[in-house]
Amino acid sequence: TQLLEQSPQFLSIQEGENLTVYCNSSSVFSSLQWYRQEPGEGPVLLVTVVTGGEVKKLKRLTFQFGDARKDSSLHITAAQTGDTGLYLCAVRPIQLGRGSTLGRLYFGRGTQLTVWP
Amino acid sequence: NAGVMQNPRHLVRRRGQEARLRCSPMKGHSHVYWYRQLPEEGLKFMVYLQKENIIDESGMPKERFSAEFPKEGPSILRIQQVVRGDSAAYFCASSSGRETGQGGNEQFFGPGTRLTVL
Repeated sequence: TQLLEQSPQFLSIQEGENLTVYCNSSSVFSSLQWYRQEPGEGPVLLVTVVTGGEVKKLKRLTFQFGDARKDSSLHITAAQTGDTGLYLCAVRPIQLGRGSTLGRLYFGRGTQLTVWP
Repeated sequence: NAGVMQNPRHLVRRRGQEARLRCSPMKGHSHVYWYRQLPEEGLKFMVYLQKENIIDESGMPKERFSAEFPKEGPSILRIQQVVRGDSAAYFCASSSGRETGQGGNEQFFGPGTRLTVL
């Protein structure tokens, strides 16, 4: 079973459109990260969300962490061709008695976004 | 300030040969992580190392795979007697190991090594 479910798996839109992608789980996390990966490259961190209900903005990208810290969404306003890529969410599960930020990341399978001119 | 470096970027091996993948972490980083990415499975954790120590190898197959991060030099992921199923992109990430209270300790990823087993 997949710890993180990302939807949609694929998204193809025209430049200028808005979109939202989702990352869901039945587990609670101390933090959640969003990465973007371009073909032939490694993932690049976009943002880390920590507090339930938190909203972070990065230019045209808006990230939200669910109140219960089980899910997150990424909204892109007025998409551009440069936004094309694989969007991945990742977490470190809460370890009882430890607030460590070290250790492995668990990744979702990602949303492949293609923005057409 | 160079980022995480991996080499080779592409590696072709025949079944039964050995593959050695190298990772040089970012300057000042002493924590290294290896991940494998397959199209149908996404990025999967393999192993977490600090200098001269394996911290967590729970994601690495018990046979044929090994990893090290010596005191001097890059981290090495070694795959012996490769099989077609080992074909994948292998990514290395590094971090400073400094704990933060805000979900920090960011992992910086290298560009990956694409292994093809013929």
